[in-house]
Amino acid sequence: DGGITQSPKYLFRKEGQNVTLSCEQNLNHDAMYWYRQDPGQGLRLIYYSQIVNDFQKGDIAEGYSVSREKKESFPLTVTSAQKNPTAFYLCASSLGKITDTQYFGPGTRLTVL
Amino acid sequence: KQEVTQIPAALSVPEGENLVLNCSFTDSAIYNLQWFRQDPGKGLTSLLLIQSSQREQTSGRLNASLDKSSGRSTLYIAASQPGDSATYLCAPSEYGNKLVFGAGTILRVKS
Repeated sequence: DGGITQSPKYLFRKEGQNVTLSCEQNLNHDAMYWYRQDPGQGLRLIYYSQIVNDFQKGDIAEGYSVSREKKESFPLTVTSAQKNPTAFYLCASSLGKITDTQYFGPGTRLTVL
Repeated sequence: KQEVTQIPAALSVPEGENLVLNCSFTDSAIYNLQWFRQDPGKGLTSLLLIQSSQREQTSGRLNASLDKSSGRSTLYIAASQPGDSATYLCAPSEYGNKLVFGAGTILRVKS
């Protein structure tokens, strides 16, 4: 069953803690992306990776970090430096060409207590 | 910087109506444009992708058009059904296949 999985579905974090959101795909896609969605707003790009061991900052990378050690995995760490981390986080992947469709995972809702 | 606007912000129609959702973008140097559907609390489902060289794409009751030079795209939904109720998002792509999203149109189809 091919697709993109994100875990956990819901995540609660205390202020000052780092948390890591998981994103795995078995579509054999080269490119992977992390977006953030706030209520009533469109998605904003946090980080993206077009190939293993390489990634670039998106529009709102401050307070976040990523790694891309394996083709199928692109974890996102929300650090304590992120001032307003409560949001819905979505991971996506695509084959890698600039004209390819992006496919999205089910999302992780992060709440800071 | 690319800015994407979707009009209307919300739309409520009776079942069976044909409807049009509008998307405008400020930078015409795009590679493609995708339309997505999002159900509450869920991820995005890709509906249609139009390459920058194309004028329109069709899938079932959905038809999307693209006028790159004027920075506009429309999503036409024929014979709307209650199951079409969702938020519809438009996203033109920049270099690197980076998508820039509008805030979406919330659609409610009443039975």
